[in-house]
Amino acid sequence: GAGVSQSPSNKVTEKGKDVELRCDPISGHTALYWYRQRLGQGLEFLIYFQGNSAPDKSGLPSDRFSAERTGESVSTLTIQRTQQEDSAVYLCASSLNSGGYYEQYFGPGTRLTVT
Amino acid sequence: AQSVTQPDIHITVSEGASLELRCNYSYGATPYLFWYVQSPGQGLQLLLKYFSGDTLVQGIKGFEAEFKRSQSSFNLRKPSVHWSDAAEYFCAVGSLTGANNLFFGTGTRLTVIP
Repeated sequence: GAGVSQSPSNKVTEKGKDVELRCDPISGHTALYWYRQRLGQGLEFLIYFQGNSAPDKSGLPSDRFSAERTGESVSTLTIQRTQQEDSAVYLCASSLNSGGYYEQYFGPGTRLTVT
Repeated sequence: AQSVTQPDIHITVSEGASLELRCNYSYGATPYLFWYVQSPGQGLQLLLKYFSGDTLVQGIKGFEAEFKRSQSSFNLRKPSVHWSDAAEYFCAVGSLTGANNLFFGTGTRLTVIP
């Protein structure tokens, strides 16, 4: 079946512009995560959605970052007034349910370059 | 707080040789532990996971890992490496509370030479 998809695959933007990244989770997966992967570093957790519960935003690095999810479907991560330090690969993952037991399935990521 | 250390940034092995990638974690309780592989241009793929029980876990593609509580380690092994194993490998520990998100190490890049 279809896996997690993300769009665009690559995004180049100028400093100060807003960008929107999209994630389509696996159908039926109630949990959705966003991670950021900077060059040469591991993944950093950004935000988590579980069903219709309030999202866990504890990993968002600043108030320029926000994310939405409609029910158990598509999620968008928005970065306002982008800065060069926002350059990274943004990865989305979904899992059947919340809880460490459930495998997280990752999308291919969106590579964001801020010039 | 949870954390993961992968001390080797880059490892080079010959095809057919054995492989061991190191992972040390910091966690206050019995952790959920994972190894993921990331090939160029692709998302992360789960190789194996440990939750409880037998400390030697088998994964896909011939990989295995051993949980050693006394050493806070979860090293990944493969007896004979194939050229297609060249990739980036990430160890992760799962949070048992809140978002249940994963905490990742910085990764080990594996190069396989013929």
